[in-house]
Amino acid sequence: DARVTQTPRDKVTEMGQEVTMRCQPILGHNTVFWYRQTMMQGLELLAYFRNRAPLDDSGMPKDRFSAEMPDATLATLKIQPSEPRDSAVYFCASGLQADTQYFGPGTRLTVL
Amino acid sequence: EDQVTQSPEALRLQEGESSSLNCSYTVSGLRGLFWYRQDPGKGPEFLFTLYSAGEEKEKERLKATLTKKESFLHITAPKPEDSATYLCAVPENSGGSNYKLTFGKGTLLTVNP
Repeated sequence: DARVTQTPRDKVTEMGQEVTMRCQPILGHNTVFWYRQTMMQGLELLAYFRNRAPLDDSGMPKDRFSAEMPDATLATLKIQPSEPRDSAVYFCASGLQADTQYFGPGTRLTVL
Repeated sequence: EDQVTQSPEALRLQEGESSSLNCSYTVSGLRGLFWYRQDPGKGPEFLFTLYSAGEEKEKERLKATLTKKESFLHITAPKPEDSATYLCAVPENSGGSNYKLTFGKGTLLTVNP
């Protein structure tokens, strides 16, 4: 049963620290998405990649967030420096076609 | 700006009590509407994609329908295990990509035994 995996599942850090979240997409999927979910805003798309190339990162605060795909099996989302307002659940999703995105279990980030 | 609105925000049902969830959208030139289920502490799980008005899809006790302005998720004789947040999403009306989904805030469904 192929699944998207994310690490860590939970992360508590202090303001100003660097945070790195990792995602392993489903093998063979060529599109990877990063979302952020909060009670107030719901699910928001931060960035997405196709064939490892970034297609759109307009949803990300550029000054502190960065997303990369070092290879086809790994996507990373970094926040440096982190701020309390970054506290949220971050989801990675992957897909082959535009209409089916498979989500990972999420990383719950708390910035104190 | 594309808008996706779900109602009600929360719904409590007794086991076996059928009902419907609503997803209304304002995007022009709809290129698909997606339904997801999200359990607490988990990522959204894909349920259905609908592409054209009049289309229907079913999965167990769930049936999704689509009109030109809204979609309904009908739940027939629900069970406690159907309790979850149900999300709908539409692609942004930009360029030729279907990848950028705008999600509604979801409907939290609770089914009591």
